[in-house]
Amino acid sequence: EVKLQQSGDELVRPGASVKMSCKASGYTFTDYAMHWVKQSPGQGLEWIGTIIPLIDTTSYNQKFKGKATLTADKSSNTAYMELSRLTSEDSAVYYCARGPMVLITPGVMDAWGQGASVTVSS
Amino acid sequence: DVQMTQSPSYLAASPGESVSISCKASKSINTYLAWYQEKPGKTNKLLIYSGSTLQSGTPSRFSGSGSGTDFTLTIRSLEPEDFAVYYCQQHNEYPQTFGGGTKLELK
Repeated sequence: EVKLQQSGDELVRPGASVKMSCKASGYTFTDYAMHWVKQSPGQGLEWIGTIIPLIDTTSYNQKFKGKATLTADKSSNTAYMELSRLTSEDSAVYYCARGPMVLITPGVMDAWGQGASVTVSS
Repeated sequence: DVQMTQSPSYLAASPGESVSISCKASKSINTYLAWYQEKPGKTNKLLIYSGSTLQSGTPSRFSGSGSGTDFTLTIRSLEPEDFAVYYCQQHNEYPQTFGGGTKLELK
């Protein structure tokens, strides 16, 4: 069974950074890409970016360049997303989702994590 | 960015009925349109991609149609487990973008 297990909810201070994880199981981690998606009440679902763990290549939504950094650890089958300089606009639920290993065109997301809530508050 | 507009935002129906959800793109996305289902306590599920291709495991009562800018998700003979939120997503060009969602509620 394909499973993406995300790290827990976070409460962080404005200006701080947060790094969340997404541990994959049930498939060969390096055979797929990993997408990250933001869900907020005002903006709906937004694609943040994609990483291909096999070749450590990333593609970002221009809107999230400088905000999000995607990495992956092949030894532990885990993808990470770090969000920096957090503001209230970053309060949202963040999902990781598996996709096909291509970057030429966007891929669909055939398995999702359970989501991790980030609340930015002082 | 390609804007995806779903309608209606809310839809009330009863088990056994058939419903359709519309998704319109601000420009042509060929047939590169996916549909997802969101349910409380469950992870999001890919139902359909490339406009009309059913993802493995998607029941045949779900169907997708359309091309260019206009797409439709149809659910025939609703089952109790179909009451959920549905999102469309264009996967034709970067950045991939999502519709605002349609909440299918029990009448």
